[in-house]
Amino acid sequence: SQTIHQWPATLVQPVGSPLSLECTVEGTSNPNLYWYRQAAGRGLQLLFYSVGIGQISSEVPQNLSASRPQDRQFILSSKKLLLSDSGFYLCAWSVRRGLARDEQFFGPGTRLTVL
Amino acid sequence: AQKVTQAQTEISVVEKEDVTLDCVYETRDTTYYLFWYKQPPSGELVFLIRRNSFDEQNEISGRYSWNFQKSTSSFNFTITASQVVDSAVYFCALRYNYGQNFVFGPGTRLSVLP
Repeated sequence: SQTIHQWPATLVQPVGSPLSLECTVEGTSNPNLYWYRQAAGRGLQLLFYSVGIGQISSEVPQNLSASRPQDRQFILSSKKLLLSDSGFYLCAWSVRRGLARDEQFFGPGTRLTVL
Repeated sequence: AQKVTQAQTEISVVEKEDVTLDCVYETRDTTYYLFWYKQPPSGELVFLIRRNSFDEQNEISGRYSWNFQKSTSSFNFTITASQVVDSAVYFCALRYNYGQNFVFGPGTRLSVLP
């Protein structure tokens, strides 16, 4: 069965510090991968998605970036965190059939607090 | 433009009551998919159901049921005989054909009190 991991689970970082969040998927090959942010009490905002190694699409301009160095690894980074980067970050995957019917499966999330 | 509205920000019910969570969507596509996800306090989103735009049959799964009405662009979710474990944030989402993106609604926080 497929499993998606995210770490760390929680993170407290000062403003201006760098960020690296990691997501890995097990039990499937060639998945589509997604990063979402959920601000406190709000809905989900798609940040990035990837259909393959090295292929990243950005949905929202911000000081965040994403990379996919391996098929089942997706990394969210920042060189300098802002207070507004605080939130709950969720990684998700779906099968790469490109069909709208394919649901996304979410990881446990990383709660980031920027002070 | 694609948009999902969940007008109910928070709902509180007492255990064993029935509760309906509303979802209204906007899309110009004729082919699209609608989803419901549950986000318990642990934070991980759990997939509940998918419905395509050509299938307006209502669906029942245990205490859960979904009412899809294309005429009103709604995809409402009803929990019958609610339980404390149903307490969570529920998200409705839209995905249009060939699109990579899910458009999520803002979510409805359901609290089921004992």
